Amino acid sequence: GEDVEQSLFLSVREGDSSVINCTYTDSSSTYLYWYKQEPGAGLQLLTYIFSNMDMKQDQRLTVLLNKKDKHLSLRIADTQTGDSAIYFCAEIPHNNNDMRFGAGTRLTVKP
Amino acid sequence: EPEVTQTPSHQVTQMGQEVILRCVPISNHLYFYWYRQILGQKVEFLVSFYNNEISEKSEIFDDQFSVERPDGSNFTLKIRSTKLEDSAMYFCASSEMGLAAAYEQYFGPGTRLTVT
Repeated sequence: GEDVEQSLFLSVREGDSSVINCTYTDSSSTYLYWYKQEPGAGLQLLTYIFSNMDMKQDQRLTVLLNKKDKHLSLRIADTQTGDSAIYFCAEIPHNNNDMRFGAGTRLTVKP
Repeated sequence: EPEVTQTPSHQVTQMGQEVILRCVPISNHLYFYWYRQILGQKVEFLVSFYNNEISEKSEIFDDQFSVERPDGSNFTLKIRSTKLEDSAMYFCASSEMGLAAAYEQYFGPGTRLTVT
């Protein structure tokens, strides 16, 4: 497909793990990103992964990349209420200089 | 910590009017970008700017749009004759290097443009 796809909503309980999934478009995309957008704020880069990696861990965040299926996931361990936000997956397609975003997944963390 | 700033935070304008959205990128950054996000939709790339010229632009960035770096600090997006469908949140971003180098883009808080 031509769009970066994400499910729109995810709800978890505080302390649980959250897994946000994304399907991207270009198997040659070199860099894949996760951004966080809190209400009324701009986009904050959480993490990125190079296409020659299949996993990246950064504190509570784990990114998994399946290049064959063009599938990217973000796992947040021990999810907190402060993690409630919209999470955007993004890619830079090969030979391109624009960044394509998914529609964003709204994560709601319940106490 | 350095940050990208944008003014105004909210701009209301009438259809057909010109608007200028202003951004102050991080001072040592060389690449500048504009994105927009129509309410409830995905973030869309508009344009990238380097060395005082446009390096990439999307199909959204038509002749109604222009960008400028009028001095050493500001980066502006001008919409010549606004349409209702231009209503969106406009984000400015900057980075030390271009996208292909995967350097972090720093985003501003956005300007909400409402066209009535």
